[in-house]
Amino acid sequence: GQNIDQPTEMTATEGAIVQINCTYQTSGFNGLFWYQQHAGEAPTFLSYNVLDGLEEKGRFSSFLSRSKGYSYLLLKELQMKDSASYLCAVMDSNYQLIWGAGTKLIIKP
Amino acid sequence: GAVVSQHPSRVICKSGTSVKIECRSLDFQATTMFWYRQFPKQSLMLMATSNEGSKATYEQGVEKDKFLINHASLTLSTLTVTSAHPEDSSFYICSASRGRATEAFFGQGTRLTVV
Repeated sequence: GQNIDQPTEMTATEGAIVQINCTYQTSGFNGLFWYQQHAGEAPTFLSYNVLDGLEEKGRFSSFLSRSKGYSYLLLKELQMKDSASYLCAVMDSNYQLIWGAGTKLIIKP
Repeated sequence: GAVVSQHPSRVICKSGTSVKIECRSLDFQATTMFWYRQFPKQSLMLMATSNEGSKATYEQGVEKDKFLINHASLTLSTLTVTSAHPEDSSFYICSASRGRATEAFFGQGTRLTVV
C-alpha cells in the first residue's frame, strides 16, 4: 500500500531551526510537495522536489532523497507565525497526491 | 501567482437540503481540480478528481450521487452536497492544478454545517 509518515507534533523555540521529516512508500514517484496549513484554513504551497537534493527558498528549505524515500522540510529563524501544520504529499505514478497526516509545529517564545 | 477562489467560505443549511460549493481558478486554466474533505485535526481526504469536460473520478467510499461534481470549464468546478445530513458537516477544500506533476493551489475552503 501507499504510505506517508511524518511526526504528529513537534515543538521548537522562536528564532531556532526545526527539521520536519517525511518518509514515503508509494506506487511510483512524480514529486514531493510540502504545504503549510494554519488551523481552520486551506493549505498553502511551500515547495516541490522531484530531483534529489536541497531546494532553498528563503527561510524554508526542502530536501529529497528518492533512493531512501525521504524528505525533510527545514525552517530557519522560526517565527511565531510559523506555528501551523506541515503536510507532506507525494505524487504517485498516476499523478495522484498521497497526503501525510501532517506535523503540527508549535513555536514557543 | 495562481489564485483559486472557493465560495462560500461558510454555509449553514438544514438537513435534507442541497448545498453548492464553487471553486474557480482566477488567473490560470485548471485542467484538473480536486475536492477534499477534512475533519478536525486530520489530514486531507481526497473525495474526487475532476478533469474539464469529463466525469469526475470518485475515491472509494465516496457516494457520487450524494456529492455531485461538475467541471464545466477550465476555470470552474462545483461540488453539490445533495440531501445534506449532519454527518456531512465538515471542511471542504478544492484545489486546482495546471497539469500533471505541478503543484496544486488551494481554495480557501468551505465550512459546511448541517443542522
